[in-house]
Amino acid sequence: GAVVSQHPSRVICKSGTSVKIECRSLDFQATTMFWYRQFPKQSLMLMATSNEGSKATYEQGVEKDKFLINHASLTLSTLTVTSAHPEDSSFYICSARRIAEAFFGQGTRLTVV
Amino acid sequence: AQSVTQLDSQVPVFEEAPVELRCNYSSSVSVYLFWYVQYPNQGLQLLLKYLSGSTLVKSINGFEAEFNKSQTSFHLRKPSVHISDTAEYFCAVSAITGGGNKLTFGTGTQLKVEL
Repeated sequence: GAVVSQHPSRVICKSGTSVKIECRSLDFQATTMFWYRQFPKQSLMLMATSNEGSKATYEQGVEKDKFLINHASLTLSTLTVTSAHPEDSSFYICSARRIAEAFFGQGTRLTVV
Repeated sequence: AQSVTQLDSQVPVFEEAPVELRCNYSSSVSVYLFWYVQYPNQGLQLLLKYLSGSTLVKSINGFEAEFNKSQTSFHLRKPSVHISDTAEYFCAVSAITGGGNKLTFGTGTQLKVEL
């Protein structure tokens, strides 16, 4: 099956710094990738749709200047959490669609201290 | 727009007992339906999916789900659960056309299998 790799799996950063999370589709090209945020014991909340070669589409209420998304190639999308604060601590998950099916990365646990 | 309802936030069950995790959806267009499983601190893994054809779909580890269009349901069942089935289960839908390939998730059901 298709594989989506997300890195890093865990990251701890100081408040005010920026963190970059990578999402790669390993065996297929993905023109569209999705970034989700998951709070403890809750469902996934779609943050934005990452489009290769164009600007990302953000969901309502998601700050695009805080969560920078870059989709420079057909196999890589990055999410940068800028000027991170403790309230940004969460589990971030990416996914890529191939035909009708979505494949998910392993997730990144971000802790801002 | 689509919405997914998973009424049971937690389902405790004894090992080897049967289980059903409920999922109902609402959509003005035809949808694909999915069940995903999530283990602690991991991403989601596809458990099974309904795209077309037979309304009963099965996974390799004994789970099955049946698409019921009239009841707009896609309940997940397993006749005999194992300790290793303990995880969070998410039902999801996506519009077959339009919708930008977005998945809409339910709130999840925590399945806890006990000895």
